[in-house]
Amino acid sequence: NAGVMQNPRHLVRRRGQEARLRCSPMKGHSHVYWYRQLPEEGLKFMVYLQKENIIDESGMPKERFSAEFPKEGPSILRIQQVVRGDSAAYFCASSPPGQGYEQFFGPGTRLTVL
Amino acid sequence: AQTVTQSQPEMSVQEAETVTLSCTYDTSESDYYLFWYKQPPSRQMILVIRQEAYKQQNATENRFSVNFQKAAKSFSLKISDSQLGDAAMYFCAYGRGGATNKLIFGTGTLLAVQP
Repeated sequence: NAGVMQNPRHLVRRRGQEARLRCSPMKGHSHVYWYRQLPEEGLKFMVYLQKENIIDESGMPKERFSAEFPKEGPSILRIQQVVRGDSAAYFCASSPPGQGYEQFFGPGTRLTVL
Repeated sequence: AQTVTQSQPEMSVQEAETVTLSCTYDTSESDYYLFWYKQPPSRQMILVIRQEAYKQQNATENRFSVNFQKAAKSFSLKISDSQLGDAAMYFCAYGRGGATNKLIFGTGTLLAVQP
């Protein structure tokens, strides 16, 4: 059973470009979570999604950031018009239905904004 | 709002010795989960141990054990017989489960293991 997969592992963007981060949950997991880790800090919750639904987006910046988890395919975290402050490691986690306390993390995507 | 505090930015331990990492948290809830995650230089987040708040018995996983003091809102991690591979950043985290499954992380403790 493959773990949580994230791609790309490293992403470089120039200011003003768009960044798309992908997350494929573990098989059988229908809940996905996105966290951001700024340099020298702990992980901060961004958004919690189930298939085709956003359950909790209380940690998402109000502008430029969006997330989706379609019926088919991976979850996508999209950052429009990136700025240098968006440089961070973005982690995705997944859990089985009803077991949100058991989150398995992917390897993360390190976004660098030039 | 719930918060998680790790007051030790860095710790060091000799190989084969025991080290304890501290964590305190603040919540008004009675039912929740607490976690310790390890983040080695690869940056992969690895679950070390989990404690359910309703359980009085402290969780253990091989060389890793916790001291869970619910009234004091304290959740420390003890690593026995430390190994070089234990060197990593350790994060304490809190989760409520239920409708909102988000985890709240502390700022981490960087553990160095001296040979």
